[in-house]
Amino acid sequence: KAGVTQTPRYLIKTRGQQVTLSCSPISGHRSVSWYQQTPGQGLQFLFEYFSETQRNKGNFPGRFSGRQFSNSRSEMNVSTLELGDSALYLCASSPQGTGELFFGEGSRLTVL
Amino acid sequence: DQQVKQNSPSLSVQEGRISILNCDYTNSMFDYFLWYKKYPAEGPTFLISISSIKDKNEDGRFTVFLNKSAKHLSLHIVPSQPGDSAVYFCAAMTDSWGKLQFGAGTQVVVTP
Repeated sequence: KAGVTQTPRYLIKTRGQQVTLSCSPISGHRSVSWYQQTPGQGLQFLFEYFSETQRNKGNFPGRFSGRQFSNSRSEMNVSTLELGDSALYLCASSPQGTGELFFGEGSRLTVL
Repeated sequence: DQQVKQNSPSLSVQEGRISILNCDYTNSMFDYFLWYKKYPAEGPTFLISISSIKDKNEDGRFTVFLNKSAKHLSLHIVPSQPGDSAVYFCAAMTDSWGKLQFGAGTQVVVTP
């Protein structure tokens, strides 16, 4: 069974730009969660989607948004990038959104 | 607020000996606990979990112990192997969809 796939793996942007990250969950998993990992804050929950609906949201500004498609694939978008948005963005999937989450390898975003 | 705490940022252990990683939490609503292992530039890999109705769960070389009254859990790795060298994260979940609260992680180094 293929794991969680995230694209792109690495990207560099400049302040003020926007970025879209993509996540394909494990086949059959309908829940997709997004996390941000930084050295200072550790792993922080961004939001969770299930059947194209956002069910849960972390404490991040509105510049961070996401969506989920009917095939469970998900995207997250960060607009008006700031230097502090430089981080590893991790996507995780699970069948229902509870219990074990299975993570992808992440998308490393650098904002210059 | 840091609801899940791993107070030891690093642990060095000899190959073949036991590794004991500790984790404390403050939120009594947590009902599911997980341990993840992470290598650099990769996403966290699920290791083992335990429900709040249990006090021990074992899977091969990995055993997790939960002490609800002390709000404390620990991960035992026996015997430790060089491939176990990684960062280990403790995580906890309530019934909040897709949301894990992570500790800051413990870097484990297994020496020959």
